Amino acid sequence: QKEVEQNSGPLSVPEGAIASLNCTYSDRGSQSFFWYRQYSGKSPELIMFIYSNGDKEDGRFTAQLNKASQYVSLLIRDSQPSDSATYLCAVRDDKIIFGKGTRLHILP
Amino acid sequence: NAGVTQTPKFRILKIGQSMTLQCTQDMNHNYMYWYRQDPGMGLKLIYYSVGAGITDKGEVPNGYNVSRSTTEDFPLRLELAAPSQTSVYFCASSHGGRVEGYTFGSGTRLTVV
Repeated sequence: QKEVEQNSGPLSVPEGAIASLNCTYSDRGSQSFFWYRQYSGKSPELIMFIYSNGDKEDGRFTAQLNKASQYVSLLIRDSQPSDSATYLCAVRDDKIIFGKGTRLHILP
Repeated sequence: NAGVTQTPKFRILKIGQSMTLQCTQDMNHNYMYWYRQDPGMGLKLIYYSVGAGITDKGEVPNGYNVSRSTTEDFPLRLELAAPSQTSVYFCASSHGGRVEGYTFGSGTRLTVV
């Protein structure tokens, strides 16, 4: 069974610091990778996708992919209290498989 | 520009009752999905559809049924509701490309008592 693993957290990060969220996946053939942000009581919102090895940057967010290690990460620079949410890692082969999410808490 | 619309937002059912969760998208997406999300358990795929007239089971289909008569609509039917079906239900859609994520509806919070 294909799996996506994330540490459930909570991960507490001081405001202004870098938050680092990590994810591993089991299927070496997976081709595209996503990060969703989910605020409490709300639906998941796509914030990043990546499909090539290396880094992809979008504003304060950087997604990193290492296919050899089957590892995806999300870095959030200059963390803000509004970044406090659960972050879902997702991996796509024929369908998207979601991890259980990491709760991130930015400390003011 | 509505995206994916789910109704109702909240519902309380008694054990044994039935109901239909509605999902409509206006983005002309071929692919549609139903997920349930329980606390700490992540998103579990219930059913999905790759186009009108085509549906298939996901990871947790028991107790549910779906239909897809149009591209826009993908209703989820609960027959004989059970407390184990208490959850938040999300509908999602996509064009289906491998580098494309899903767009989610706002969810339906269902409680079975």
